[in-house]
Amino acid sequence: EVQLVESGGGLVQPGGSLRLSCAASGFTVSSNYMSWVRQAPGKGLEWVSVIYSGGSTYYADSVKGRFTISRDNSKNTLYLQMNSLRAEDTAVYYCARTYDSSGYYGYWGQGTLVTVSS
Amino acid sequence: SYVLTQPPSVSVAPGQTARITCGGNNIGSKSVHWYQQKPGQAPVLVVYDDSDRPSGIPERFSGSNSGNTATLTISRVEAGDEADYYCQVWDSSSDHRSWVFGGGTKLTVL
Repeated sequence: EVQLVESGGGLVQPGGSLRLSCAASGFTVSSNYMSWVRQAPGKGLEWVSVIYSGGSTYYADSVKGRFTISRDNSKNTLYLQMNSLRAEDTAVYYCARTYDSSGYYGYWGQGTLVTVSS
Repeated sequence: SYVLTQPPSVSVAPGQTARITCGGNNIGSKSVHWYQQKPGQAPVLVVYDDSDRPSGIPERFSGSNSGNTATLTISRVEAGDEADYYCQVWDSSSDHRSWVFGGGTKLTVL
């Protein structure tokens, strides 16, 4: 059974940093495209970042230069390092297994809430 | 960047058919995916590649895509279908890869 479990969210001050984790089971993270998608309170879904099976990474313009996606193959875990956080980064962050054929998200984690506030 | 436009809300009576549209420039040339999200829950894929259904999704959910509009159709709507629905495409045509979501449509079952 495929499972994705995010952790690492919490309250952080503007300008601070946070690292999110997404532990996967039932499949191999390194063999798949893996993404982070966020949802601000009361708002819609927004793509944040993706890492390809080959290791290439891409970011939304809103987070480029501040966020870094990575993975630990030995732990079968996806990460999102978030630096220079802003109030507008406040959101629930989901990790999702992404199908490389046409880019859909077949499996989602339950999400972890990041709140950026002083 | 590519933009997807959805109506903010759609209302339908139980047993009727709901149609949720997703507009985009020449969207018919792209693969469109649809997600259902209920309050406090993660999104769930209900249609992928325009019209395919993941296992476990009822046949009442179907999709189509042509020209500048993709449509999610929910037949014989039930109270449990009340949720937010999002369309999504993958823009893989340039070096700047991006995944795009529509703004979402709240389906209300009257």
